[in-house]
Amino acid sequence: RKEVEQDPGPFNVPEGATVAFNCTYSNSASQSFFWYRQDCRKEPKLLMSVYSSGNEDGRFTAQLNRASQYISLLIRDSKLSDSATYLCVVNRAAGNKLTFGGGTRVLVKP
Amino acid sequence: DAGVTQSPTHLIKTRGQQVTLRCSPKSGHDTVSWYQQALGQGPQFIFQYYEEEERQRGNFPDRFSGHQFPNYSSELNVNALLLGDSALYLCASSLVSGGLSYEQYFGPGTRLTVT
Repeated sequence: RKEVEQDPGPFNVPEGATVAFNCTYSNSASQSFFWYRQDCRKEPKLLMSVYSSGNEDGRFTAQLNRASQYISLLIRDSKLSDSATYLCVVNRAAGNKLTFGGGTRVLVKP
Repeated sequence: DAGVTQSPTHLIKTRGQQVTLRCSPKSGHDTVSWYQQALGQGPQFIFQYYEEEERQRGNFPDRFSGHQFPNYSSELNVNALLLGDSALYLCASSLVSGGLSYEQYFGPGTRLTVT
């Protein structure tokens, strides 16, 4: 079993719609959680950190469920520019090693 | 404020050769991590350097080695290249302060093709 698992998608989303997807992690000692966005053939870019109480950044909302060991990302009012691969990232308590999921591809269409 | 920079952008090598990739961290950052990203997969952690020492290592063979310089920049060396080493190599920098680590920021990557 992979340490961080994501649905690879693609999620085909009409422009203006809401899309949500999850990521599960297997190591209960994981401390920090992030969502990164990666455009085709580009580097990952930090989208947002995920806090225990959940957090929102504009149209993006992230949630953490430690009991069930998953994090989620919700995108409201999807824009064409939201088309990308969204990488779920987990950081264990010891050290600063990021473990990435395989990514969820989102395609926003007019 | 300069972000993370990497060189070269692209590289083509032959099996058995050796390669060196370079990374300069974001201003104010002191830790450099290297990742390998194969096509269609998420990045895989190779190793991390802090205070000029390798602090953590992922599941990569000894053919992968690195170095960090006093100015925090870093090199990744890969010996005896295999076709399977073809990938995007990403460098990420971060700041470790008071035992806490903060978000990592990635450079644009070096795309290595082994033929």
